[in-house]
Amino acid sequence: GAVVSQHPSWVICKSGTSVKIECRSLDFQATTMFWYRQFPKQSLMLMATSNEGSKATYEQGVEKDKFLINHASLTLSTLTVTSAHPEDSSFYICSASVPRREQYFGPGTRLTVT
Amino acid sequence: AQTVTQSQPEMSVQEAETVTLSCTYDTSESDYYLFWYKQPPSRQMILVIRQEAYKQQNATENRFSVNFQKAAKSFSLKISDSQLGDAAMYFCAYRSPRAQGGSEKLVFGKGTKLTVNP
Repeated sequence: GAVVSQHPSWVICKSGTSVKIECRSLDFQATTMFWYRQFPKQSLMLMATSNEGSKATYEQGVEKDKFLINHASLTLSTLTVTSAHPEDSSFYICSASVPRREQYFGPGTRLTVT
Repeated sequence: AQTVTQSQPEMSVQEAETVTLSCTYDTSESDYYLFWYKQPPSRQMILVIRQEAYKQQNATENRFSVNFQKAAKSFSLKISDSQLGDAAMYFCAYRSPRAQGGSEKLVFGKGTKLTVNP
């Protein structure tokens, strides 16, 4: 149980375009989903927290207009990187949780912006 | 704000031997959760072990155990009988039990890269 999926696993896009990453909890309803960014050989950096039906809470320094997060249902959250630039290339990981339980992580999405 | 420190960027161990990864944290809260996550080359984050701060007993999961020292704010991970599959990045993480705006964020350390030598 407690499986989280991400789609796509790898995406390449051209500079200036937008790309959407989906995060789904497959066998449980997640009240909260988290989005992380991870650079090579570094730790996970929390970008934002989203609760179903509410606006996402962004961490300091994260551009909310660039990284749009939508948590439309208890099993789906999406991260849209708008007007992507090469510096947005990174590994994006989502996680999902219910209160007082551990976070369950998706397998991650590698974004390459050319 | 809470912080998590992993002072060992890299560690190595011989197969079948025991290794201990260090983690310290800083918090003013009395109740919280601590975790060790493993990230193998596939980059899938895998929960290794979890400890509730109110529990004095150290958590164990098969070959993995922790040494939780609440007063010292220390939370080390011991891996016994190391296997080649244990090779990975290991992250220590802290979580407050209190919902903050509806979330329970994880604070991660910078990680320790563990190499297992055959």
